Amino acid sequence: QVQLQESGPGLVKPSETLSLKCTVSGGSISGYYWSWIRQPPGKGLEWIGYVYYSGSTNYNPSLKSRVTISVDTSKNHFSLNLSSVTAADTAVYYCARGPIFGVVDWGQGTLVTVSS
Amino acid sequence: QAVVTQEPSLTVSPGGTVTLTCGSSTGPVTSGHYPYWFQQKPGQAPRTLIRDTTSKLSWTPARFSGSLLGGKAALTLSGALPEDEAEYYCLLSYTGARNWVFGGGTKLTVL
Repeated sequence: QVQLQESGPGLVKPSETLSLKCTVSGGSISGYYWSWIRQPPGKGLEWIGYVYYSGSTNYNPSLKSRVTISVDTSKNHFSLNLSSVTAADTAVYYCARGPIFGVVDWGQGTLVTVSS
Repeated sequence: QAVVTQEPSLTVSPGGTVTLTCGSSTGPVTSGHYPYWFQQKPGQAPRTLIRDTTSKLSWTPARFSGSLLGGKAALTLSGALPEDEAEYYCLLSYTGARNWVFGGGTKLTVL
């Protein structure tokens, strides 16, 4: 059974870059799409983007100018960088695995707070 | 950007049946939107219940089923249990999976 674990700073200053990593265990990176999804406190889910194991990516148009998602197949992890963050980027960030049209397996999520 | 709409809240009696729906601002939802359904309980990560309109995951209880109904994606719960009380989200894919959009969620109460 695949397991996904998010890691990274829980506090980021405004205007800086939020960086998270998702470590995949119990399965290979190959053959799947790897996604980041976030949820502001008390609100709904928002898709951020995904990376295919080959490295090709697709991003939410509303975040595209600030998002980079990358994959490292040798280390079995993938990463999220979100630049120029504001308080509106405060959320629980989830990594997930799935086919091209959605996600099947989820990480437990990590709360990132944007504050000075 | 498409908007995906769900009922904000629904209530079902224990043992009862309820249908949650997922609509799209761009027109009828079809199998080409590859609807997904997720269940989220307070303090937990979401759990995928349905993929590709109707397909269940190995962990999906048999009382949940997915379909298309009246131009929307639908999640039907037959024989509700108290443990089914949760927030339910749908996800639709647009423009060949280049854009995914979540619905706002339905808070389901079993009472």
